[in-house]
Amino acid sequence: EVHLAESGGGLVKPGGSLRLSCAASGFIFSSYSMNWVRQAPGKGLEWVSSISTGGSQIRYADLAKGRFTISRDNANNSLYLQMDGLRAEDTAVYYCTRPHITIFDHMDVWGKGTTVTVSS
Amino acid sequence: QSVLTQPPSVSGTPGQRVAISCSGSSSNIERNAVHWYQRLPGMSPKVVIYTNNQRPSGVSDRFSGSKSGTSASLAISGLQSEDEADYYCSTWDDSLNGPVFGGGTKLTVL
Repeated sequence: EVHLAESGGGLVKPGGSLRLSCAASGFIFSSYSMNWVRQAPGKGLEWVSSISTGGSQIRYADLAKGRFTISRDNANNSLYLQMDGLRAEDTAVYYCTRPHITIFDHMDVWGKGTTVTVSS
Repeated sequence: QSVLTQPPSVSGTPGQRVAISCSGSSSNIERNAVHWYQRLPGMSPKVVIYTNNQRPSGVSDRFSGSKSGTSASLAISGLQSEDEADYYCSTWDDSLNGPVFGGGTKLTVL
């Protein structure tokens, strides 16, 4: 069964850092680009970042540029999001998602999400 | 402020047909495929329509999608209580160089 499981969320003070992880199983992880998408309380879905199969092509939404770093470890079927300089507005559930085939396609696999709370 | 515009809420009674609109621009909806996600309470989003009007296996044929110009629409016919959820449209944006989402529409089955 295709499965994504996020971890690493928690409570952090403004200006702090967190590293989110996503463990993939049930498919050939190295064959798929991957995304991070978030949803703040009471708000809509918001794309954060994408990474290509080998990690050479990386895209960030403006909200993440200069503060977040996406990476992957294909040997261990894992996706990561290093988040630095966290702000209250980064409080959200962060989802790891898999596009259907290419990065332009719909996201056909979603994890359950991990909650990040930025508060003093 | 989301790049794609959806009504915050729609409602209908069981058996009715409802439609949810999604408005974008020439850099997103007009040039790219539109997808629709359903988020049931307490669950992760799930795609119900992809590439404008395609239904994944397992999704009821009561769900249909359409696109024209810079707008798209999701229709749900024969409304059922289990359809009560938040619905999000999404597409690629050529200017932002990434996927964009609508703000979401809460569907209430009265």
